[in-house]
Amino acid sequence: EVKLLESGGGLVQPGGSLRLSCAASGFTFSSYGMSWVRQAPGKGLQWVSGISGSGGITHYADSVKGRFFISRDNSKDTLYLQMESLRVEDAAIYYCTNEYDFWSGTPWGDHWGQGTPVTVSS
Amino acid sequence: EIVLTQSPGTLSLSPGERATLSCKASQSISNGFLAWYQQRPGQAPRLLIYGASGASNRATDIPDRFSGSVSGTECTLTISRLEPEDSAVYFCLQYTSSPPYTFGQGTKLEIK
Repeated sequence: EVKLLESGGGLVQPGGSLRLSCAASGFTFSSYGMSWVRQAPGKGLQWVSGISGSGGITHYADSVKGRFFISRDNSKDTLYLQMESLRVEDAAIYYCTNEYDFWSGTPWGDHWGQGTPVTVSS
Repeated sequence: EIVLTQSPGTLSLSPGERATLSCKASQSISNGFLAWYQQRPGQAPRLLIYGASGASNRATDIPDRFSGSVSGTECTLTISRLEPEDSAVYFCLQYTSSPPYTFGQGTKLEIK
């Protein structure tokens, strides 16, 4: 069974930093690109950042470019999101999910974690 | 960046009726990838439908009451024979091109 478990969310002041983790199990983690998606309270879904299976290719939404950094440790089956210079508008539930895999045909967003909440407030 | 616009914002229907949800793209995604997700309150999104070039594939354990189609810039999710548990917010996503991947703003489906 595929499982994704996010952690690391919490309350942080504007300008502060936080590191989110997403522990994966039940599939060959290194074979899949992964993404972070966030959802502000009462709002829709927003793609934040993605990383290739090897970790060599990363992408970011313009709203977080230069402040957020995605990485992964395939030896630990774990995805990370280092968030710096946090703003009030970054407050949201952060989800990790898989990206589309051409070879297996696995669709984008086939599996999601339960999310970890981030609150940015003074 | 491909922008997705969903309509209507809210849809209120009765059990047994058919729901038609629209997702309009700012450029053609007929040769790309589109997915639909269901999100119930307090839960993570759940994949319903995905496909390329207009194909409509249901995700694991999704009943055949759910179907999707793509034609040019118009994407449609159809839910036939509505049931009370279909009450949720539905999002479309395009992953046609390189990031950024973009979601529609969502359609709230209420079952009376």
